[in-house]
Parts: sequence; structure tokens; C-alpha cells
Amino acid sequence: RKEVEQDPGPFNVPEGATVAFNCTYSNSASQSFFWYRQDCRKEPKLLMSVYSSGNEDGRFTAQLNRASQYISLLIRDSKLSDSATYLCVVNHNTDKLIFGTGTRLQVFP
Amino acid sequence: GAVVSQHPSRVICKSGTSVKIECRSLDFQATTMFWYRQFPKKSLMLMATSNEGSKATYEQGVEKDKFLINHASLTLSTLTVTSAHPEDSSFYICSARDLNFFGTDYGYTFGSGTRLTVV
Repeated sequence: RKEVEQDPGPFNVPEGATVAFNCTYSNSASQSFFWYRQDCRKEPKLLMSVYSSGNEDGRFTAQLNRASQYISLLIRDSKLSDSATYLCVVNHNTDKLIFGTGTRLQVFP
Repeated sequence: GAVVSQHPSRVICKSGTSVKIECRSLDFQATTMFWYRQFPKKSLMLMATSNEGSKATYEQGVEKDKFLINHASLTLSTLTVTSAHPEDSSFYICSARDLNFFGTDYGYTFGSGTRLTVV
């Protein structure tokens, strides 16, 4: 079983739609959680950290459920520029980041 | 913010040759750097943790004699792919963590990646 699992997609949504991505992690000792965005042939860039209380950054909302070992990302009012691969990332309180396989999002006009 | 510079961005080499990739932290000192590999439509897989002044720590399944890592200073780590073969063609990305950074992203910064093609 992969340590961090995501639905690979692709998710094809129209502009303005709301889309949700899910992620599960297997190691209950995981301490820190992130969503990264990766554009084609580019390095990953941090989108947002994920906190137990849930957090929001503009159109993006992240949730963490430690009991279920589940992380989610909600994108509201999708823009064409949101098209990318979204990577769920966890950290076990070491320096290492463990990446999920990524979920590809394609927003169309 | 912290910047990590990675060179070259793209390299094509012949099978059997060696390729060196450099990763520099430009405005902070990085005692630890990380090397990842990403195959098309796959996620980033950690290859090794590069430790300044000591041997790198390799992940299971990664050949340390093939992927040589040197971290001779607090701002530079290099990855050398020795005797490259076509199956080594991949996107290699380095990362470093600024331990003096107290933001919400825990200070991880990525290089822009190196696309290696072995022909």
C-alpha cells in the first residue's frame, strides 16, 4: 500500500465549478500535512499547509481528519489557471516529505 | 524567501556517460538537502537525503554507487548519475529546508528540476 494515496484523476471541470480532492495516508505518526501544486514539467510549489482545525486561503479550503487519516482540498470557483496536478504531502516529524501520486485537474472554458 | 538554484535544467547525454546535477541554496545554509526523481505521470520519489559533511542516506532500492551524492558545503549538494542508461531518464528535483524559517511551510524549498534524457 502506498504511504500517501490520491485519486489520480483527471478531473475535468468547467470554469466556476467547485472540485474536491481527497487523500489518505497510512502512517498514523504523520505530523505535518501539505497540498502542493505542480505544473507540467515544473517543480512542485506549496499551495497550503493543512491544520487539524481546517484552513482556508481564498478559494482553497483544506481539511484534515486525523482519526480517519484523511486530507481534503476544496477549490471553489475554478479558474483556467487552476489546471495542474495537486500533490498531497505528509511529514513524519523528520525532514522527509512523502508525496502522493497527485491528482490532475483540468479546468475548461 | 529561500531560494534553491538547480543546474542544469535540461541535459541530454549518451548512454554510459555520467551527468552531474548541482543544487545550491542561495540565501540560507542547508545542512540537509533532498534528491527526488519523478517519472512521467508519477509522483516525486525520494532518492536520498544529502547530509553536509557526511554520507548521504539512500532510500531503499536506490543504488548508492550509481547515484553519487556529495554535500561538501552548507550551500551545495551534487548528484552524479554514473554510467547513465535510458531508464535513468527522468526529472530530478532537489529540495532544501531552511531551519531558520518559521513560516507555515516549514521552510521547504525546491529547485526547478533537471530533465535528464539518456540516449
